[in-house]
Amino acid sequence: QVQLVQSGAEVKKPGSSVKVSCKASGGTFSNYAVSWVRQAPGQGLEWMGGIIPFFNTATYAQNFQGRVTISARGSTSTAYLDLTNLRSEDTAVYYCARGHALAGALLWLDHWGPGTLVTVSS
Amino acid sequence: DIVMTQSPDSLAVSLGERATINCKPSQSVLLSSDNKNYLAWYQQKPGQPPKLLIYWASTRESGVPDRFSGSGSGTDFTLTISSLQAEDVAIYYCQQYYSSSTFGQGTKVEIK
Repeated sequence: QVQLVQSGAEVKKPGSSVKVSCKASGGTFSNYAVSWVRQAPGQGLEWMGGIIPFFNTATYAQNFQGRVTISARGSTSTAYLDLTNLRSEDTAVYYCARGHALAGALLWLDHWGPGTLVTVSS
Repeated sequence: DIVMTQSPDSLAVSLGERATINCKPSQSVLLSSDNKNYLAWYQQKPGQPPKLLIYWASTRESGVPDRFSGSGSGTDFTLTISSLQAEDVAIYYCQQYYSSSTFGQGTKVEIK
């Protein structure tokens, strides 16, 4: 049974950075991709980017280019999301999700973590 | 980026009746080389992460009730709930994975 365990809630100041982790169990980590999706309060889903651990290559949404880094450590089946230069609009629940991949392309997301609330406030 | 537009934003349907949600990508998500539509549907209930319902536009994920079905191709897709149950009250999202990935804005389904 696939399970994704995310790190705990964070409160950050504007201009600072946050790192959220996502540890997978119950599947072969390197055979899949991991995406990060965020959801601001009362809003919809926003895909931020993803990584295929086998190739160690990450793809990012244009909105986050330059501010986000997604990485993975196969030895611990853990993926990470680094978001820098935080602003109040980054207040959201951040989800990791296991995804399928094909020829290096990220596909649909079949297992989701419970989410990590990141609050950005002065 | 491909913009995903869902309609309606919300709908209220009587128990046992059909619910239909539309999703229109700003460009085709049909890849000619494999003839597959790179589109998925998700259900999100309050306080929960999204749950995958459909991928490749019409393939039901294992364990998803068969009252959920997906159809369409290119730039015009539909998620249908054939007989709405109380537990189907949720927000539904389409997602394209043809070019990077983007989600629709969501459609809220309620009981009339």
